[in-house]
Amino acid sequence: GQQVMQIPQYQHVQEGEDFTTYCNSSTTLSNIQWYKQRPGGHPVFLIQLVKSGEVKKQKRLTFQFGEAKKNSSLHITATQTTDVGTYFCAGNAGNNRKLIWGLGTSLAVNP
Amino acid sequence: EADIYQTPRYLVIGTGKKITLECSQTMGHDKMYWYQQDPGMELHLIHYSYGVNSTEKGDLSSESTVSRIRTEHFPLTLESARPSHTSQYLCASSDEGTGANTGELFFGEGSRLTVL
Repeated sequence: GQQVMQIPQYQHVQEGEDFTTYCNSSTTLSNIQWYKQRPGGHPVFLIQLVKSGEVKKQKRLTFQFGEAKKNSSLHITATQTTDVGTYFCAGNAGNNRKLIWGLGTSLAVNP
Repeated sequence: EADIYQTPRYLVIGTGKKITLECSQTMGHDKMYWYQQDPGMELHLIHYSYGVNSTEKGDLSSESTVSRIRTEHFPLTLESARPSHTSQYLCASSDEGTGANTGELFFGEGSRLTVL
């Protein structure tokens, strides 16, 4: 079946270090969405990418959609303790109107 | 801030009890979803609805049932709760999106269910 893998599963960084999580799909995606879930909270939408090779930035966060639309990345520059949480990617494949979710990457930031 | 609400936020009940988790949204979204999530784990879609009187089972088999009599309301019911049902249940809604793409999901704060 259609799968979306996310790596790494966990990441510990020192405050100020950079962080990247990768999302890899077994099939071509028509879009990719990224969500952040704080500990004890609910997922909150961050961004959606739809174009091949698209890059979008939100302050210290950079999102990229691969040329083949099978992978995506989220890069955080100079992490802060407020970045702590689990980052999920999700996308639609073909005519499947249900989102396929990655397993998430949990980020811990040491002050 | 998203206008989607879930009650109760926390519920501790005994085995065999019937429970209903409420979810309401005021955004006029046709699409609504129920996800099940254990702490620190992935999201599992258990039910979804694309409009009034339309409900479908998700990717994870669940003994719960849902109904969609009104656009804004998407309750989830467990007829006889068991300890294996202990989990967090997240309700979400989305707009139409574009083409086959799902629109942005707005999540409620979740209902944490513990069955003793």
